[in-house]
Amino acid sequence: EAQVTQNPRYLITVTGKKLTVTCSQNMNHEYMSWYRQDPGLGLRQIYYSMNVEVTDKGDVPEGYKVSRKEKRNFPLILESPSPNQTSLYFCASRGLAGFSYEQYFGPGTRLTVT
Amino acid sequence: SQKIEQNSEALNIQEGKTATLTCNYTNYSPAYLQWYRQDPGRGPVFLLLIRENEKEKRKERLKVTFDTTLKQSLFHITASQPADSATYLCALPGAGSYQLTFGKGTKLSVIP
Repeated sequence: EAQVTQNPRYLITVTGKKLTVTCSQNMNHEYMSWYRQDPGLGLRQIYYSMNVEVTDKGDVPEGYKVSRKEKRNFPLILESPSPNQTSLYFCASRGLAGFSYEQYFGPGTRLTVT
Repeated sequence: SQKIEQNSEALNIQEGKTATLTCNYTNYSPAYLQWYRQDPGRGPVFLLLIRENEKEKRKERLKVTFDTTLKQSLFHITASQPADSATYLCALPGAGSYQLTFGKGTKLSVIP
């Protein structure tokens, strides 16, 4: 089954404690992206990657890091989480060949930073 | 960057009626526009894509229109059902990029 998986699904942590949210897709997609979703603000892009070792900032990259060492994986790293990073996070992927513009989203990771 | 407005935060309609959701954008006209459905606490799911040279696209009970002069897309659900209750997001690509910018969504409630 074609899917994007994220782990963990729920995470409660404390300010300053480094964490990683993993994202993996099994569709051989080149493009992967991270979004955060907050009430009243909608979905905002954090980082995206066009392929292995190619990443770029989205609209709200401050406080986040990403890496793309393998095509299927795109982890999101919070080196020193703060309460304003409490949010619902989504990973997404899409293929870049042809006219396939559809983005596939993961189930989401609900992060609470206290 | 592109600004997107989905005109209603929430829309309540009676079962069986047609729901119409609006997506307006400013700045440049995109090559295409997408609509997604999102259920509470879950990731968005792709529904339809319409290209700039298409006026209308249909998929079962869904219909999307795209007016590049008005810079507007309309999303219609005919014969609406309570199962159609969800938040609907429109999304547009950035100029010359693969990034998608999403509207804040319209929460549709279909009342039995």
